[in-house]
Amino acid sequence: NAGVTQTPKFQVLKTGQSMTLQCAQDMNHEYMSWYRQDPGMGLRLIHYSVGAGITDQGEVPNGYNVSRSTTEDFPLRLLSAAPSQTSVYFCASTQGHSGANVLTFGAGSRLTVL
Amino acid sequence: GESVGLHLPTLSVQEGDNSIINCAYSNSASDYFIWYKQESGKGPQFIIDIRSNMDKRQGQRVTVLLNKTVKHLSLQIAATQPGDSAVYFCAENGSGNTGKLIFGQGTTLQVKP
Repeated sequence: NAGVTQTPKFQVLKTGQSMTLQCAQDMNHEYMSWYRQDPGMGLRLIHYSVGAGITDQGEVPNGYNVSRSTTEDFPLRLLSAAPSQTSVYFCASTQGHSGANVLTFGAGSRLTVL
Repeated sequence: GESVGLHLPTLSVQEGDNSIINCAYSNSASDYFIWYKQESGKGPQFIIDIRSNMDKRQGQRVTVLLNKTVKHLSLQIAATQPGDSAVYFCAENGSGNTGKLIFGQGTTLQVKP
């Protein structure tokens, strides 16, 4: 039982490049989400999904796309990276059915955009 | 709008002392609150949670207090240890059962030996 697995752990991009951050969970959780963490700003929600085939925007969705084709995977795509997207990205999942949203987080992906 | 804020960015305590980390929230509709601990280079880890129908919940060396009247949440750590050094985040569920959490900015706890 690996929990929430994120890849890659580190990535450096040039402005305008595209990439995908991968996230997979093996806990059969319905809900998955992506957060970004910047100094002094806590964690901010980018996109989330309440089940396969369903996604919605969070607080800071611009510049990011997501899809949820399976329960296990929730990739985050940057179509044209910008320096403002330099951040640490965390994927999280939860059962969520009871309203007790104890998120389980991955170890994070540190992205630098030059 | 919704916001969750922490009163102090950094808290320094002596090993063995008790620590209290405070948090204010603004969404009256929030009915579930969580404290997370984040060590350097790692993802946030769940510490303890509390529902709005409670005002206190205890775990191992940790206690969460909820005051809905003033929208205040606190995390108390008893007999603080060097391993408790980390950033602590409070979070609220805002509205609805969507798996979303709204996080505060975090308090850094430094434990002095």
